[in-house]
Amino acid sequence: QTVLTQPPSASGTPGQRVTISCSGSSSNIGSHTVHWYQQLPGTAPKLLIYSNVQRPSGVPDRFSGSKSGTSASLAISGLRSEDEADYYCSSWDSNLLGLTFGGGTKLTVL
Amino acid sequence: EVQLVESGGGLVQPGGSLRLSCAASGFTFSNYAMHWVRQVPGKGLEYVSAVRSNGGSTFYAKSVKGRFSISRDNSKNTLYLQMDSLRAEDMAVYYCAVAVGATLDAFDVWGLGTMVTVSS
Repeated sequence: QTVLTQPPSASGTPGQRVTISCSGSSSNIGSHTVHWYQQLPGTAPKLLIYSNVQRPSGVPDRFSGSKSGTSASLAISGLRSEDEADYYCSSWDSNLLGLTFGGGTKLTVL
Repeated sequence: EVQLVESGGGLVQPGGSLRLSCAASGFTFSNYAMHWVRQVPGKGLEYVSAVRSNGGSTFYAKSVKGRFSISRDNSKNTLYLQMDSLRAEDMAVYYCAVAVGATLDAFDVWGLGTMVTVSS
């Protein structure tokens, strides 16, 4: 089972703002940073957001992250068709003593 | 260019063994912890194993502990994953990954993955 909970799906129309949530506990999100990955169909995951809010070089500022307590969110503004992908959150877990991923959210651009 | 290239995947019978390799280039391999992440086709990501930069400390997910062994050869810039007693539930795409430019456990470089099929 996954210790980070994400909605299995999300959707939006081009130009809209969409948010994806990631819910954890005090042993993971509550005490460690959160990272987000984008996985396009048939490709390896790509780091989208790290340390809750930081964007790696090359990631558009349409993507933003936030964290509050034991939950985190990924927001995508100005939605584009190429944003259609699976999105995963991850965080260190002090109980597992290892990294853990959320179950993933499939984003559909209608 | 920073790159990771996995190899060694294939078809193996239940109970069999396989060794995956991950060749690294474009960065100082010996300075970074290395990781394996797997993904059952159509499913989510699972963190499998990790090894510190000097090979002195390792981590294994509960699901593979006692059956998988991670190692590295810093002279060859190569990461390995020895997989023994393979089960049907080990069938997945195996990625190696590293956090080079971001923070310790945020993987900004991934390989393309190698598929492991466990079937009789």
